[in-house]
Amino acid sequence: QVQLQESGPGLVKPSETLSLTCTVSGYSISSDYYWGWIRQSPGKGLEWIGRIYHGGSPYYNPSLKSRVTISLDTSKNQFSLKLSSVTAADTAVYYCAREDNQYFFDYWGQGTLVTVSS
Amino acid sequence: SYVLTQPPSVSVAPGKTARITCGGNNIGSKSVHWYQQKPGQAPVLVIYYDTDRPSGIPERFSGSNSGNTATLTISRVETGDEADYYCQVWDSSSDHRVFGGGTKLTVL
Repeated sequence: QVQLQESGPGLVKPSETLSLTCTVSGYSISSDYYWGWIRQSPGKGLEWIGRIYHGGSPYYNPSLKSRVTISLDTSKNQFSLKLSSVTAADTAVYYCAREDNQYFFDYWGQGTLVTVSS
Repeated sequence: SYVLTQPPSVSVAPGKTARITCGGNNIGSKSVHWYQQKPGQAPVLVIYYDTDRPSGIPERFSGSNSGNTATLTISRVETGDEADYYCQVWDSSSDHRVFGGGTKLTVL
């Protein structure tokens, strides 16, 4: 059974960098599939942040591209998200997810709330 | 960028059929995926490739897609189906994964 679990600070100060890690169990991230991040602002809808594929370049939502970095650590079976220069608008529940090769998300982490506040 | 439009809310009585629409320019040419999200939980895939159901999803959930509208249909609605539902596509022109704004299904 594939499982994903997000981890990282729940509170980040404005202008700092948000850093989250997604630990995957039950599947090797170096085998196949895209691995991505999606966020959901309080009371709002889902926003795709970006994705990465083992052996490929990451790809980001253009609206966030200048501030986002997604990377893989295959030795730990983890992938990570960094979002720089955060503001209150980046307060959201952040989900990591496995993306099928046909562009749908079949496994999700439980999500982690990140609040941007001083 | 590609835009998906969903009604904010749909209400249905238990045992009846709920239809949730997702509008987009020539969406019939794309594969549409649907997710169910209950309060405080992560989204769950309920329909992929317009009409396919992942294992464990009841047959009461079905999908269709044609022209400018995709539809998620939930037959014999139960109180446990009350949730937010999101449609999603891959926009090939931009390589983006696009979500609709979501529809809150209320079971009266």
